Order: sequence, then C-alpha cells, then structure tokens
Amino acid sequence: LAKTTQPISMDSYEGQEVNITCSHNNIATNDYITWYQQFPSQGPRFIIQGYKTKVTNEVASLFIPADRKSSTLSLPRVSLSDTAVYYCLVGGVFSNTGKLIFGQGTTLQVKP
Amino acid sequence: ETGVTQTPRHLVMGMTNKKSLKCEQHLGHNAMYWYKQSAKKPLELMFVYSLEERVENNSVPSRFSPECPNSSHLFLHLHTLQPEDSALYLCASSHSGTGGNNEQFFGPGTRLTVL
Repeated sequence: LAKTTQPISMDSYEGQEVNITCSHNNIATNDYITWYQQFPSQGPRFIIQGYKTKVTNEVASLFIPADRKSSTLSLPRVSLSDTAVYYCLVGGVFSNTGKLIFGQGTTLQVKP
Repeated sequence: ETGVTQTPRHLVMGMTNKKSLKCEQHLGHNAMYWYKQSAKKPLELMFVYSLEERVENNSVPSRFSPECPNSSHLFLHLHTLQPEDSALYLCASSHSGTGGNNEQFFGPGTRLTVL
C-alpha cells in the first residue's frame, strides 16, 4: 500500500497561492493521485485527480513529476473559505495496488 | 449536496443500546463505503461494498455490523458500543472498477456519541 507524507499544517493569507506537497515514494504503476478537502464535521470532497504531468480544473492544479514519487496541489488566490484539511491519497479501492488510505492530511489556515 | 445522504445526523446512545445508521446514494454508483473519523485522527476505512457484496472488512469489531440491501442503501448496525466508538461516521459511494479512477462522494456524516 502506497503511503503518503504531507505537512501537518500550513498558514497562508488571502489572495496568496498555496502549494501543498505530498510524498509517495512507493507509488505503484496503476495508482492515481487524488486530493480531497474536508471542512470540520463534514465529509471529504474530491478536489482533483491525476496520473502524471499536470492537471488543472476550476478549483486547483496538480503537478506530478516524471518519477511520480511526489505531487503538489496548487490552490490559486486562496480565500478564508479555503481553510480546511487537505488529504493526498494514492491508489484506488479496486485497483491492483490496494485501497485508498487517508493520512493525517494538511490543515491549511488562511488568514485575512 | 453530494448526492449521498445520511441519517441521523446526530446520535447519542448508551452502551447497551442497539441503533442503526443509514446511508442512501442517488448517484447510480455501485460501490459504497463506511468510514470512521475520531477526533483529530484520519479517516479509517471500515467496510466496502461493491455490487452489494462486501469486499473489504478492515478488522472492525463485531459490534459494528454492515448491511447493503441494494446498491443505493447502506446500513451500519450498532450494538453494545464503547465510549471510544464515539466519532463521525461517514458514508461514501463511487463507481467500482480498477485503475484508481474512482472518485468517492461522501455524505455529511453521523456524529455518534456513546455514553
């Protein structure tokens, strides 16, 4: 099972770009990289998913280097409402490499 | 609204009670999950159902008993729980399949307190 390592917490200010990096040295060939966002007392919400290179949607960008041993979630111009826990996950429940494992996540605090 | 609903949203029960948590998804998914999230801990996967068959049981104590009568409904039956079982219980659903490209949609959770 691919394990992920990400910073426990990060602080930022409104309007700044935030980059959260996740390490996953044991990622397998079939694994995707997925990021979720969770607000207090709510279920996690899917943000973005990728396999390699760069993926962008209306919320965030995901940068994955060629070796895929890490990934970076980029949140452009954060606002106070982006304060949440961000989880990096590798794998898939029904993939050959095992199940989704939620780690501690990164608690992002956006300040005014 | 994620298309996944959970009831009740809050539940307080004694250690000798029997209660059930309910989850319903309106997304046409064929896989459903139960997670437990204790205070300041990461989500723990408890059970996975695919096409109404249990495909994952993460060494969960027998006082937690899941039931999946059809692909839209998932229950978690609770009996003789312990105070340490107090947590946020989250239900999720997704399309099943290989390759990891199976985004999970989570419900709002049931906040369970065991006295």
